[in-house]
Amino acid sequence: QSVLTQPPSTSGTPGQRVTISCSGSNSNIGSNTVNWYQLLPGTAPKLLIYNNNQRPSGVPDRFSASKSGPSASLAISGLQSEDEADYYCAAWDDSLNSVVFGGGTKLTVL
Amino acid sequence: QVQLQESGPGLVKPSETLSLTCSVSGGSISGYYWSWIRQPPGKGLEWIGYILYSGSTNYNPSLKSRVTISVDTSKKQFSLKLSSVTAADTAMYYCARHRGYCNGANCYAWYYFDYWGQGALVTVSS
Repeated sequence: QSVLTQPPSTSGTPGQRVTISCSGSNSNIGSNTVNWYQLLPGTAPKLLIYNNNQRPSGVPDRFSASKSGPSASLAISGLQSEDEADYYCAAWDDSLNSVVFGGGTKLTVL
Repeated sequence: QVQLQESGPGLVKPSETLSLTCSVSGGSISGYYWSWIRQPPGKGLEWIGYILYSGSTNYNPSLKSRVTISVDTSKKQFSLKLSSVTAADTAMYYCARHRGYCNGANCYAWYYFDYWGQGALVTVSS
């Protein structure tokens, strides 16, 4: 059971906008920054968003994220087939003294 | 471009020690934090712990009694040892880089991982 809660799956059609939620608590998302990762089989995981809403160099601006209280969300606009992947949120947890992750959301592009 | 590559045995017997090494290329090992993260089959990610290039460490409390992370800056490598393994330790093991900052004599990690290896699958089985 993951500390952060994400929907197991979501889907969208090319060009559509999808959002992925990440729910935590005051000890993690509520008091620390949220980061998002994209995992594709056979490749190195990729940092998509850091510090709640910052994109690393090279990440398209189709990817955006926000945080409110103990919850966060990732939005992908202009959905493309190559966006089909697993997405994970993460944050530091002050109570557990550890990085905690969500259970991951599998995005399917129909 | 920074690249990380995990290496080590893909099969470990129960009760033995899992050992993995991460080799860093295309960039310096100094000045950064280096973490191990794992993903059991069909499950989510779990942070194992980090080592700073200078040698200080921080481990996930749930694994702390069994984990040792070390660094060899001359070889640009850092390593993971996980003792007394069971089938529950079967996972894809990733190494990753992150940054931090120092305030006087104290250094603090930021916990977003900007470079990752492709992962090494380790199976615990007799």
